[in-house]
Amino acid sequence: KQEVTQIPAALSVPEGENLVLNCSFTDSAIYNLQWFRQDPGKGLTSLLLIQSSQREQTSGRLNASLDKSSGRSTLYIAASQPGDSATYLCAVRPGLRNQGGKLIFGQGTELSVKP
Amino acid sequence: DGGITQSPKYLFRKEGQNVTLSCEQNLNHDAMYWYRQDPGQGLRLIYYSQIVNDFQKGDIAEGYSVSREKKESFPLTVTSAQKNPTAFYLCASSMRQPGEYGYTFGSGTRLTVV
Repeated sequence: KQEVTQIPAALSVPEGENLVLNCSFTDSAIYNLQWFRQDPGKGLTSLLLIQSSQREQTSGRLNASLDKSSGRSTLYIAASQPGDSATYLCAVRPGLRNQGGKLIFGQGTELSVKP
Repeated sequence: DGGITQSPKYLFRKEGQNVTLSCEQNLNHDAMYWYRQDPGQGLRLIYYSQIVNDFQKGDIAEGYSVSREKKESFPLTVTSAQKNPTAFYLCASSMRQPGEYGYTFGSGTRLTVV
């Protein structure tokens, strides 16, 4: 059974710091991995999607990497800003045909960037 | 603009009542999903549908029902059999085959039992 773990559960940093959020998964048979952002009381906003054949994706100050063989992904945020404060969720789409396309989510990392 | 619309944003249910949460998408996605989010428990899958007129139970389907009569719509009914329905409900959609766009989520419905 696929399990997704995110470390740390919470992180507080001063503005301007570069930071790394970690995501690990137990089964390397995945189609893709997706990073989301969730603001309090809101839905999920997709940040980056990495296909199983890719090593990384970049969007602005965000860079996500994927090491499928070791079951790890990292989300790197450069020059953090108070507006980056949110919960960041990692999710994998299992590669098995009977999974119905459903995503398996980690518990999330709650990020606070202080001015 | 393409996206997913969930309504209402807030919903209050009395004991013994059934309530229906709406989810509509105009992304031409084949598959749609309902997740429940509780503090400290992450997102858990309730039901999902890959094509019209077909749907499957997720991990926590007891006390819920769905229908998929149209590609664009996937309403969720929270029945009186669901003993602890207070939660944040999220609807999502995707292409049936893994592709370059992944999942898209709606803005959620917060359900409270009064």
